[in-house]
Formats: sequence, structure tokens, C-alpha cells
Amino acid sequence: AQSVTQLDSQVPVFEEAPVELRCNYSSSVSVYLFWYVQYPNQGLQLLLKYLSGSTLVKGINGFEAEFNKSQTSFHLRKPSVHISDTAEYFCAVSDGKLIFGQGTELSVKP
Amino acid sequence: GAGVSQSPSNKVTEKGKDVELRCDPISGHTALYWYRQSLGQGLEFLIYFQGNSAPDKSGLPSDRFSAERTGGSVSTLTIQRTQQEDSAVYLCASSSGGGSQVRAQYFGPGTRLTVL
Repeated sequence: AQSVTQLDSQVPVFEEAPVELRCNYSSSVSVYLFWYVQYPNQGLQLLLKYLSGSTLVKGINGFEAEFNKSQTSFHLRKPSVHISDTAEYFCAVSDGKLIFGQGTELSVKP
Repeated sequence: GAGVSQSPSNKVTEKGKDVELRCDPISGHTALYWYRQSLGQGLEFLIYFQGNSAPDKSGLPSDRFSAERTGGSVSTLTIQRTQQEDSAVYLCASSSGGGSQVRAQYFGPGTRLTVL
């Protein structure tokens, strides 16, 4: 069975600092990976996806992620965060349906 | 274009009542999914419709939960004899893929269900 582990439940960071949100997956078949963001009282918004091809994936709002098969990781990064990036971030793997990690709450402080 | 829409946005009901939650997927999307988000359980898959195939109901937590998709478009999730543990945000998503094709899923704003 596939699974996703998000290693940090909360990540506090200062504005304009870089951030990395960690995600590890477990899968015995082809891997399809996603990052979603959820702002307070809203649904999930797709940030980026890895389906195949280049292992470095660029998404919206300046985020990017790198698929690393040997380390079974798909960490999300942004070189300089803004206050508006404060939200919960979910990593997910797909086997048709999405299997989500527990989420990482990113808190950007001025 | 229009995204996934869900109604109602909020629903408060009494324990034991039945509720219906509606989802309108993105036009042309053949796959439709229901998920549930709660504090204790995180994001959980409930049910998946793909075209005319039999739905994948493997995530439904009990036989009080059911869903249908009419005409390959709108879907209704029904919870019978609601219990307090059913309180959660119910999210609907759709995608243009399905079967052997994996595509990104696009989510609606959710329905917040509160069972008193």
C-alpha cells in the first residue's frame, strides 16, 4: 500500500527566508506525487505535480519540488517566503485516489 | 473556466437526521472523488467515480454513507442517520484522468458538516 509521511507538523519561518517542507513516500508501483496548499477555511489548491519526466518540478507562487527516487522523497521548497504563504501544505501520492500526508502548517512571521 | 462547486457550504444537522451534499465537477472531467477532512483523521478518501465504471467505494466508513453520480456529472453524497463523528469538511474533486491515466485533481471549497 502507498503512504506519505510529512516529517514536520509545523514549520515557523521568518519572511524572506527560504523554506523546505519535507515529504517521504512509500510506493511499490509507478509514483505520481502532488503538493496542495490549503488556506484557512478554503479547499485544496494544487501547487505542483510530478507525473513523469524532469525530477525538478516548478509550481505556482514560486514553489518547486524535487522528486528523489533513491531517497523516496518529494520535498517542497521556496527560496524566499511571504506572509501570504502562511497556510497548511499537503503532500499526496496517487494510485487513482489521493493518499495524503498529515499536513505541514507553515507559519511565516514578519 | 468554472471550478468545482459544492453545496451547501455549511450544514448543521441533528444526530439521526439524513443529509445530502452536492458536487458539481469541472465540465468535461470524467473522474470525480469525495474526501473527508477532520481534525483527528486528516484527509481521507471516501469514494471515486470514473466514467461509466462501477465506483470505488473502498473508503466509505460505514453503510450509512452512499454516493451517486447522475449523467456522469453532478454527484450527491448521502449520509443517513448522522452521528457526531460524521462532523467534518467534505471535499469533492474532479480530474480529466482516471483508470490508468493519472491527472491532477482539482478540489471544491468543501461542505462543513456539523452534527449536533
